[in-house]
Amino acid sequence: GAGVSQSPSNKVTEKGKDVELRCDPISGHTALYWYRQSLGQGLEFLIYFQGNSAPDKSGLPSDRFSAERTGGSVSTLTIQRTQQEDSAVYLCASSHSSAGRVTYEQYFGPGTRLTVT
Amino acid sequence: GNSVTQMEGPVTLSEEAFLTINCTYTATGYPSLFWYVQYPGEGLQLLLKATKADDKGSNKGFEATYRKETTSFHLEKGSVQVSDSAVYFCALGGTSYGKLTFGQGTILTVHP
Repeated sequence: GAGVSQSPSNKVTEKGKDVELRCDPISGHTALYWYRQSLGQGLEFLIYFQGNSAPDKSGLPSDRFSAERTGGSVSTLTIQRTQQEDSAVYLCASSHSSAGRVTYEQYFGPGTRLTVT
Repeated sequence: GNSVTQMEGPVTLSEEAFLTINCTYTATGYPSLFWYVQYPGEGLQLLLKATKADDKGSNKGFEATYRKETTSFHLEKGSVQVSDSAVYFCALGGTSYGKLTFGQGTILTVHP
């Protein structure tokens, strides 16, 4: 079946502009995660959605970052007033959960490479 | 908080050599442990996992054993191939929910 998809695959934007990154999780996966992969910081957790529960936003680096997940499926990560330090690959992952317990096997999308000039 | 310390690379080996990539962790509770691999130009893929102490995860000739006493999850392969060249990430998850904490990654290059 289809894996996790992300769009766009590459995004170049000017400093100060807003960007939206999209993630389509695997059908039926109720848990969705955003991570950021950058040279200096490695792979960092950003935000987690589980079903209809309030998301865990503890990894978001600043209030310029926000994310939503509509209808328990597609998610959008928005970065406002982008800065050069936001340049990174943004990864989305999804997983099953069973009886409220996440099974932890996460499937990753190919990522969106964001470059802020 | 949770953390993962991974052997620094890059690691360069000849084909058929033995591979070990060290990984140690700090966590409260009983985490699950993972190795993910990222091949050139591709996304992260789960390589293997272990969910409790003394479990051995294995896949594609790679193995790792969950050692609670040494808080380690070292990745091993007896005979590497050129096609194993990739970046390997050790990760920890599951102490509260599925958020993964990753190590810094180890670049492996295998020469013919």
